[in-house]
Amino acid sequence: GESVGLHLPTLSVQEGDNSIINCAYSNSASDYFIWYKQESGKGPQFIIDIRSNMDKRQGQRVTVLLNKTVKHLSLQIAATQPGDSAVYFCAENKGGATNKLIFGTGTLLAVQP
Amino acid sequence: EAGVVQSPRYKIIEKKQPVAFWCNPISGHNTLYWYLQNLGQGPELLIRYENEEAVDDSQLPKDRFSAERLKGVDSTLKIQPAELGDSAVYLCASSKGQGATDTQYFGPGTRLTVL
Repeated sequence: GESVGLHLPTLSVQEGDNSIINCAYSNSASDYFIWYKQESGKGPQFIIDIRSNMDKRQGQRVTVLLNKTVKHLSLQIAATQPGDSAVYFCAENKGGATNKLIFGTGTLLAVQP
Repeated sequence: EAGVVQSPRYKIIEKKQPVAFWCNPISGHNTLYWYLQNLGQGPELLIRYENEEAVDDSQLPKDRFSAERLKGVDSTLKIQPAELGDSAVYLCASSKGQGATDTQYFGPGTRLTVL
């Protein structure tokens, strides 16, 4: 997506279309991944997670895909709705002794009615 | 069930002044986190508590930042003195345990503006 004023990648979709938000993670040793949704003025909200021993997990209207070979994570949202408009962050947990969530750069999803 | 509560929601102060943020985690959550979120970026961990013990404060700038969780429930994050670069959103999160797969639930954050 294109960068906007805040240098956030932006994905603009029409209402009813499917959305795919991508994320590259940094550490091949990370074993747990989470997608968060953050609406304006609110804290991040948990959407879906996936462990490294899986390559796909489905929730209600959302699917997360994990490609460990290229360290890539994606979030698919089916039948995107105006209420899905928000910034989406992926986060990786490096596990082990650190047990720390590392958040990626967010993607702004703009749903056009 | 109530979520993570933070106050104040907004704070505007002049540089060199002190400021404090308060967080009440979800009931029964033993692990509490303070994050810093700059505009357009993801949250960055400042400190993590397990009950009343700070188990990871490696990212907390200890010359001006301090935090406490005296009774293992609510927590306070303080900055003294504040600098212009501290303007950001300060997020509190909590989880039942400290395991890697324990979901972290975030509060609404406190937006700090330092003038």
